[in-house]
Amino acid sequence: RKEVEQDPGPFNVPEGATVAFNCTYSNSASQSFFWYRQDCRKEPKLLMSVYSSGNEDGRFTAQLNRASQYISLLIRDSKLSDSATYLCVGNYGGSQGNLIFGKGTKLSVKP
Amino acid sequence: AAGVIQSPRHLIKEKRETATLKCYPIPRHDTVYWYQQGPGQDPQFLISFYEKMQSDKGSIPDRFSAQQFSDYHSELNMSSLELGDSALYFCASQRGGYTEAFFGQGTRLTVV
Repeated sequence: RKEVEQDPGPFNVPEGATVAFNCTYSNSASQSFFWYRQDCRKEPKLLMSVYSSGNEDGRFTAQLNRASQYISLLIRDSKLSDSATYLCVGNYGGSQGNLIFGKGTKLSVKP
Repeated sequence: AAGVIQSPRHLIKEKRETATLKCYPIPRHDTVYWYQQGPGQDPQFLISFYEKMQSDKGSIPDRFSAQQFSDYHSELNMSSLELGDSALYFCASQRGGYTEAFFGQGTRLTVV
């Protein structure tokens, strides 16, 4: 199976900080990527979709670099509520779907 | 908006028993994925279905089987349960293979 790799962290940052996660992938065949956020013992929730070069939604910016095969997630002005595990997911399957999960990056935002 | 529905939410079984987990995808979603997530682990892919046919298979034990029915709901059948099967089981649904997948709240299975 194609691999998606992330730094597991944890990233411990103060409130208001800017933090960036990188995710690398080994197979260039992916059509799209997603960032999911997962709180402890809860289901992953979609944070952002990346279909082309990037996406921005408020404090969150995702960028895709196909030449270097990595996706980044930037969180500005971190809030305590941003503390979670962030999962990078590659979508490889064409019409039938084939989601490959990274192992997640844990973020802890401190007061 | 309708979300992915999983049932039951919690299940306690004894070793060697069987369990059936159900997943009802978002309407008009034709792809269903099953994942197993142990404590502190990332979700492990088990199996997926597209248009009621198995589309991919991951680390699903032979003791488990699954299918997707004509109404697109899916069931994961687990037999000869072992203590190590205790985990959160998530179902996700997707419309076509190119779009976002959405997860249900999961079934927490405890094998005692």
